[in-house]
Amino acid sequence: DTEVTQTPKHLVMGMTNKKSLKCEQHMGHRAMYWYKQKAKKPPELMFVYSYEKLSINESVPSRFSPECPNSSLLNLHLHALQPEDSALYLCASSQIGIWDEQYFGPGTRLTVT
Amino acid sequence: QKEVEQNSGPLSVPEGAIASLNCTYSDRGSQSFFWYRQYSGKSPELIMFIYSNGDKEDGRFTAQLNKASQYVSLLIRDSQPSDSATYLCAVNPHRAGNNRKLIWGLGTSLAVNP
Repeated sequence: DTEVTQTPKHLVMGMTNKKSLKCEQHMGHRAMYWYKQKAKKPPELMFVYSYEKLSINESVPSRFSPECPNSSLLNLHLHALQPEDSALYLCASSQIGIWDEQYFGPGTRLTVT
Repeated sequence: QKEVEQNSGPLSVPEGAIASLNCTYSDRGSQSFFWYRQYSGKSPELIMFIYSNGDKEDGRFTAQLNKASQYVSLLIRDSQPSDSATYLCAVNPHRAGNNRKLIWGLGTSLAVNP
């Protein structure tokens, strides 16, 4: 059983909608990640939070807005998305240290219409 | 040259055989290496990680690392049809200022035939 949970499992939204993706981890990890994955491609890093502070933003468009309310929770706020943003959005968490294996949640399948 | 390279496959093996998946990387400073299994439509699942040269075994899985040759492999013994999936190799080069970003291969598709 995964200890990283994500809601919702599926989301369909229009280009003018505002929605949020949620992630929770129960592993005591202090780094959390958002990835985007398109079909037949590896995951693409979007954001990293370390100790609840944004430490990496991989030049993601501002229509994606991350938030880390506490060490267990991670949100991704979505606004004015484009159809090409349709993808599997993955949350992951890891310890902070040299040996920092990343564990993924089940993902949210997002479709933008 | 891609930073992390894998054969895309598909790699096809009969049930009960050994599946051998290979990955090469370009950054000599890389320190941690991961193998993820991903079923179609699902999220990546971490199945092995290795940090030191040599072999690391966990059940039917063995990861092998050779830093001098910049090569990491995954062996799956007694392959089962349930092992049919895409296997992603990921490497952390621990670059200054961005030591949390994994570099991913494109994945190898494995098919285990009953």
